Amino acid sequence: AQSVAQPEDQVNVAEGNPLTVKCTYSVSGNPYLFWYVQYPNRGLQFLLKYITGDNLVKGSYGFEAEFNKSQTSFHLKKPSALVSDSALYFCAVRDGDDYKLSFGAGTTVTVRA
Amino acid sequence: DAMVIQNPRYQVTQFGKPVTLSCSQTLNHNVMYWYQQKSSQAPKLLFHYYDKDFNNEADTPDNFQSRRPNTSFCFLDIRSPGLGDAAMYLCATSVGTVGHYEQYFGPGTRLTVT
Repeated sequence: AQSVAQPEDQVNVAEGNPLTVKCTYSVSGNPYLFWYVQYPNRGLQFLLKYITGDNLVKGSYGFEAEFNKSQTSFHLKKPSALVSDSALYFCAVRDGDDYKLSFGAGTTVTVRA
Repeated sequence: DAMVIQNPRYQVTQFGKPVTLSCSQTLNHNVMYWYQQKSSQAPKLLFHYYDKDFNNEADTPDNFQSRRPNTSFCFLDIRSPGLGDAAMYLCATSVGTVGHYEQYFGPGTRLTVT
């Protein structure tokens, strides 16, 4: 079975400050990890994914994520947050060849000007 | 631009009145998915098509049906909507179902049941 935990329902940061959104996962096989962002009344937008190789993954809009196998984590980061980054962020995992994508509960990010 | 399109964006239906939601894609992806999302919760997978092969999730109510007449189009039919079916319905596509294939989502259709 596969699962994802996003321990923070909300993250609040000031514009220009670093942003981190936490994600931990549980799989029995090899994990494939994804981050998506959702703006109000919109679908999910793909940000980045980890497949294998380099533990630091760079994605869209200046976001990056660090895969840590020993801590089973895949935290999303942005060095300098923008007000426009305010949205709902979902971490998701797929276990090896399982077709199903398991989503975390989501973290609402608010960036204040 | 290649994309996933959902129509309509907002749909209002009456309790018990059948409704159909539409999804089309220009990505030429093999797989199309339908998700239900309530109140900013995680999306819940209802079913997916791999080409013409239909795969239903075990906990998807019989009230929900789907059709995929060709590669580009997929429809979600709700035969007798209840108040509990009010939600955002998301269509997604991917090249394949396994491993590293990410899913691309449409903008969603917000369904209101009166």
